[in-house]
Amino acid sequence: EAGVAQSPRYKIIEKRQSVAFWCNPISGHATLYWYQQILGQGPKLLIQFQNNGVVDDSQLPKDRFSAERLKGVDSTLKIQPAKLEDSAVYLCASSGVAGGRTDTQYFGPGTRLTVL
Amino acid sequence: DAKTTQPPSMDCAEGRAANLPCNHSTISGNEYVYWYRQIHSQGPQYIIHGLKNNETNEMASLIITEDRKSSTLILPHATLRDTAVYYCIVRVATNAGKSTFGDGTTLTVKP
Repeated sequence: EAGVAQSPRYKIIEKRQSVAFWCNPISGHATLYWYQQILGQGPKLLIQFQNNGVVDDSQLPKDRFSAERLKGVDSTLKIQPAKLEDSAVYLCASSGVAGGRTDTQYFGPGTRLTVL
Repeated sequence: DAKTTQPPSMDCAEGRAANLPCNHSTISGNEYVYWYRQIHSQGPQYIIHGLKNNETNEMASLIITEDRKSSTLILPHATLRDTAVYYCIVRVATNAGKSTFGDGTTLTVKP
């Protein structure tokens, strides 16, 4: 069974530039999560989707971050414009009935973003 | 804020049991205790979870105190590949549950 796919794996940009990350969850998983993980800290939930609807985006900095999950499958996370403090690993996870317990989250490898 | 408290780091000798503690004194009745681990440069990996009974799977055992305010993850025979950051979180066991990660415990298994 294929896991959660993310791309790109690494991205280096300058501050004030824009960047987008892509996530393909495990097939059939209804719930998709985006986390931000700053070096030395645990993952912090940015946004949680149930199918293509938003369940929780309380910690998403909406002035610069946006996310969408069209058709309830793939998702993109965008930062515009980026700041130095956005340097982090962005993790995507999914959960659902297919392939395991509905509450178990399966994580992708993450995208490491460096903002210069 | 994370709902759990874990020691920042622990060491364990290879082949010995690793016992990782977690405090979750404000856990609600419908919240489960979950454990994940994160090996360097990878995404977190699910290990085990439980509500109030002790649980065991092929990776680890989970011991939850009777008052559910704390738990211990046990890796019975730690190997060098178990070196990782271990996260304890509490959440409801549905897709709507929110996972709040703390900073975890860095376990270093030494030869």
